[in-house]
Amino acid sequence: AQKITQTQPGMFVQEKEAVTLDCTYDTSDPSYGLFWYKQPSSGEMIFLIYQGSYDQQNATEGRYSLNFQKARKSANLVISASQLGDSAMYFCAMREHTSGGSYIPTFGRGTSLIVHP
Amino acid sequence: EPEVTQTPSHQVTQMGQEVILRCVPISNHLYFYWYRQILGQKVEFLVSFYNNEISEKSEIFDDQFSVERPDGSNFTLKIRSTKLEDSAMYFCASSYLAGVKGTDTQYFGPGTRLTVL
Repeated sequence: AQKITQTQPGMFVQEKEAVTLDCTYDTSDPSYGLFWYKQPSSGEMIFLIYQGSYDQQNATEGRYSLNFQKARKSANLVISASQLGDSAMYFCAMREHTSGGSYIPTFGRGTSLIVHP
Repeated sequence: EPEVTQTPSHQVTQMGQEVILRCVPISNHLYFYWYRQILGQKVEFLVSFYNNEISEKSEIFDDQFSVERPDGSNFTLKIRSTKLEDSAMYFCASSYLAGVKGTDTQYFGPGTRLTVL
């Protein structure tokens, strides 16, 4: 079974509008962390935002916020006021305790976001 | 702001040759990682390294791969006898801790694009 599911292979949004990128996860571990990374066409992976499983409030970082719905096991990324520079691949990742005793993240397949003027 | 650096940015090699990919993690970080991303696919964990030894590795990380921290700053991935299917982007990452908290976030380098001919 997929640990991280990103159901939207591609999304389009108009500049200055908000967009939500979906991410659902699967774990039985009560302690886990959820991360979003941005990968522009240049290839680097840029950390955006983190949400811990015990955090009471949704994480926010500037224009990025994470809509964390624990019961539904979803951790959607919301980008407000989209900019042309937001066009990139976005990966959702989860870190949980592995059988090997460490915390290795599992990545989703990514969502390609295109912001058009 | 401190960042993870990787060299070279692009490496082209002949099948069967050995390659060494180099990384300089963030200076106060304790945990180091290598990931692979085949073109158009998701990021896959290869290996984690802590206290001068491998702490966890995936099934991808077979005998042709090895990692080393030869001095206090560099972290290297060696592929002994490259195959066509090793062509991918290789990311180095580092983190201060290795749990699920936000402080355990992994910061990625810009990647090395390996092309095996």
